[in-house]
Amino acid sequence: GAGVSQSPRYKVAKRGQDVALRCDPISGHVSLFWYQQALGQGPEFLTYFQNEAQLDKSGLPSDRFFAERPEGSVSTLKIQRTQQEDSAVYLCASSHPTEETQYFGPGTRLLVL
Amino acid sequence: GESVGLHLPTLSVQEGDNSIINCAYSNSASDYFIWYKQESGKGPQFIIDIRSNMDKRQGQRVTVLLNKTVKHLSLQIAATQPGDSAVYFCAEIYYGQNFVFGPGTRLSVLP
Repeated sequence: GAGVSQSPRYKVAKRGQDVALRCDPISGHVSLFWYQQALGQGPEFLTYFQNEAQLDKSGLPSDRFFAERPEGSVSTLKIQRTQQEDSAVYLCASSHPTEETQYFGPGTRLLVL
Repeated sequence: GESVGLHLPTLSVQEGDNSIINCAYSNSASDYFIWYKQESGKGPQFIIDIRSNMDKRQGQRVTVLLNKTVKHLSLQIAATQPGDSAVYFCAEIYYGQNFVFGPGTRLSVLP
């Protein structure tokens, strides 16, 4: 596709429910990033993949958060036993091997009730 | 003028005027900087970038200035248009992959 796509665009979950958020990066982009953006704030780093390898997961807030990219393209961010403080926009970005610029998807807005 | 909103500082400008959005960064090791524009319900969109070996870079209607001495970055938008209304974030990048975003500034263009 022309850009990074994410699905679903909106997700409402009951507290305690598990959710899975999907990211399709730009074709050919080996680096993939997940960010969490709270209302009125800038994106905060969660985790980073190069191809299928998760090279940095220092930003994941708890062990309830898990990300994977098994074939080096599509990535899934999973949140187990969601809590109200997980409500945020989850952004995915990808970058080309020869440049540092990250290109962002539209995000998934998660609301935990 | 500028005011601090609930979370984001807001800059209000008249249509046609120039806008200047400022950003302070924290890491001396940052060697690459990007300005992003984020409209409501969308992801951040790349506007312009600058490397630490430069102090100015110009694009179409936008200019980024970098002052490494005081760790300050600014984005200038010429002849601001209603479509420029959005939240603007600066990002500092160090060691190639580490992106740190600033808190953002909301630009409101008045008719």
